[in-house]
Amino acid sequence: EAGVAQSPRYKIIEKRQSVAFWCNPISGHATLYWYQQILGQGPKLLIQFQNNGVVDDSQLPKDRFSAERLKGVDSTLKIQPAKLEDSAVYLCASSLRTGTKNIQYFGAGTRLSVL
Amino acid sequence: EDQVTQSPEALRLQEGESSSLNCSYTVSGLRGLFWYRQDPGKGPEFLFTLYSAGEEKEKERLKATLTKKESFLHITAPKPEDSATYLCAVQAGGNNRLAFGKGNQVVVIP
Repeated sequence: EAGVAQSPRYKIIEKRQSVAFWCNPISGHATLYWYQQILGQGPKLLIQFQNNGVVDDSQLPKDRFSAERLKGVDSTLKIQPAKLEDSAVYLCASSLRTGTKNIQYFGAGTRLSVL
Repeated sequence: EDQVTQSPEALRLQEGESSSLNCSYTVSGLRGLFWYRQDPGKGPEFLFTLYSAGEEKEKERLKATLTKKESFLHITAPKPEDSATYLCAVQAGGNNRLAFGKGNQVVVIP
């Protein structure tokens, strides 16, 4: 079974530029998550989708971050404009459904460096 | 706000030297506690999920246990390939969001 796919693996940009990340979840998984993992920290949830609807975006900095999952499969996360503190690994995860006893499976992540 | 604290932050073990990692948590209405393994440059890999105090799960040299306030990940006779960061996460509340600790970085020396 194919895992969660993410691209690109690495991205280097200058502050105030924009960047986008792409995620393809495990086939059949209705729930998709975007996490931010700063070096030395655990992942922090940014946004959670159930199919193509947003379930939780309470920790998403909405002034600069946006995400969409138009057809309930692939998703993109965008940062515009980027700040130095956005340097982190952006992880995408998916699970069959939302709720307890639903294991989240993670992709390899996109490492973003903002200079 | 849900709080997850993992200790020790870093641990160096000789091959075969058993040890335990601690994850203490403060949440309202625990629904599940998850352990993940993360290798450098990779995403977290699921290991275990525990749902109630007293529950235990095992996989190869790893054993996870859960009480009402903390979870332990016991590593028995570790091998160098067990070197990784082990992440603990709790799922609580109505939104079922996972809250992660900072991780336990384990290095096993041959």
